[in-house]
Amino acid sequence: DIQMTQSPSSLSASVGDRVTITCRASQGINNYLAWFQQKPGKAPKSLIYAASSLQNGVPSKFSGSGSGTDFTLTISSLQPEDFATYYCQQYYSYPFTFGPGTTVDIK
Amino acid sequence: QVQLVESGGGVVQPGRSLRLSCAASGFTFSSYGMHWVRKAPGKGLEWVAVISYDRSNEYYADSVKGRFTISRDNSKNTVYLQMNSLRAEDTAVYYCAKNKYSGDSHAVDYWGQGTLVTVSS
Repeated sequence: DIQMTQSPSSLSASVGDRVTITCRASQGINNYLAWFQQKPGKAPKSLIYAASSLQNGVPSKFSGSGSGTDFTLTISSLQPEDFATYYCQQYYSYPFTFGPGTTVDIK
Repeated sequence: QVQLVESGGGVVQPGRSLRLSCAASGFTFSSYGMHWVRKAPGKGLEWVAVISYDRSNEYYADSVKGRFTISRDNSKNTVYLQMNSLRAEDTAVYYCAKNKYSGDSHAVDYWGQGTLVTVSS
C-alpha cells in the first residue's frame, strides 16, 4: 500500500498569512493527488484534484503543486474560514490512502 | 445540484451487521464511481471502498476487506455499504462521495453529510 505523510501535523497562523502544507507519498503517484478540507463536525470539502486543479467553486487562494512523490498545498492569504484540518489523498493505486492531516489553527 | 444523503447509521453490538445507504440526486448516477470514506473519533479520514459506475469493479481498504461489501443500484440512484462482523474500531462517521468524472478516474468532488456508526456492547 502507498503511505502518505504530511508535514507539519499542525500549525498556528494568523489571518493574512501564507501557509504551505507538504504531502509525501511512499512511492510515485504521478499527479493522482487530491486535497480536502474538513472542519469539526462537518463533511470534508474537496479542494484540489490532479495535484494542481481547483475544484469548482474553490477560491483561487488555494493552490496545489507537485508530481511523483512530493506535493504542496498553499493558501495564499489565510482567512478565518480557512482554519480547519487539511488532508491529502492518493488515488493512484488501490487502496486509496489519506495523509494523517494537518490542522491549521489561529495563532 | 448534486446531493448525497447517507442513512442507516446507529448503535450496533460487536459482531453484528449494519447496512448503510447513500441516496444520490442531481447527476447521472449510473455514470460515476462512488466511494465510502470514514472518520473515527479523534482520527483522520480513512478511505473504505469504491465501486465503479457499472458495478464491474470494487476495491476495499485492508481494514475492511472480507467484512464490508460495497454495492449499488443504478435504478434507485443508491450506493450501499454492507458491514458485517463489526468491531469497536469501525466506530466512525461514514461518508459517501462521488467521482468527479465518469469512467475510471477516481478523483472525488462531492460528499454527503455522513452517518454515524457506533459499535458498542
